[in-house]
Amino acid sequence: NAGVTQTPKFQVLKTGQSMTLQCAQDMNHEYMSWYRQDPGMGLRLIHYSVGAGITDQGEVPNGYNVSRSTTEDFPLRLLSAAPSQTSVYFCASSYRDEGVHEQYFGPGTRLTVT
Amino acid sequence: GDSVTQMEGPVTLSEEAFLTINCTYTATGYPSLFWYVQYPGEGLQLLLKATKADDKGSNKGFEATYRKETTSFHLEKGSVQVSDSAVYFCALNGGSSASKIIFGSGTRLSIRP
Repeated sequence: NAGVTQTPKFQVLKTGQSMTLQCAQDMNHEYMSWYRQDPGMGLRLIHYSVGAGITDQGEVPNGYNVSRSTTEDFPLRLLSAAPSQTSVYFCASSYRDEGVHEQYFGPGTRLTVT
Repeated sequence: GDSVTQMEGPVTLSEEAFLTINCTYTATGYPSLFWYVQYPGEGLQLLLKATKADDKGSNKGFEATYRKETTSFHLEKGSVQVSDSAVYFCALNGGSSASKIIFGSGTRLSIRP
């Protein structure tokens, strides 16, 4: 199993550009999430999905869109990049075992917006 | 809403020292509690977990006990190694956050040889 994969590893964008961060998992997990990690602020949830066709907003959803057309893929779209979106982005997938989520994280995408 | 508070870092210790990283939580109901570890340049990995009061999670010499009376889940290790240098995150799932995991802000640990 590859686990959770993310592409690209690094990306530089200019303000106003759009792009999609890719995330895929091969563990048949129903839950997937996107987080951003900023210094001193830990992980903040952007969007999450509890299954194909179902998504919901997290703590910091503005400026980002998601969709979940398959169980495996959960892309994150930046509509019009801003310097405030410079961050490290992590995708995670999880399953519920007796009511407990155990999350598996991808290696991250480091995004810089100039 | 649910939240997790952990001690500010960075924490710097000498090799073989005793480690405690404090974590307290606020949640409705009976959440599950986790510690995740992030090594430099990598994503987070689950270190240990506890799913009910008085449970003790343990892994790689680390331990944490789910204390409902003090709403705490402190991480401890008796003798740290240089390879333990990383960022540690306390997290919870459940309560009002059944579909989400709520993370603390992370504690950076550095171990001197």
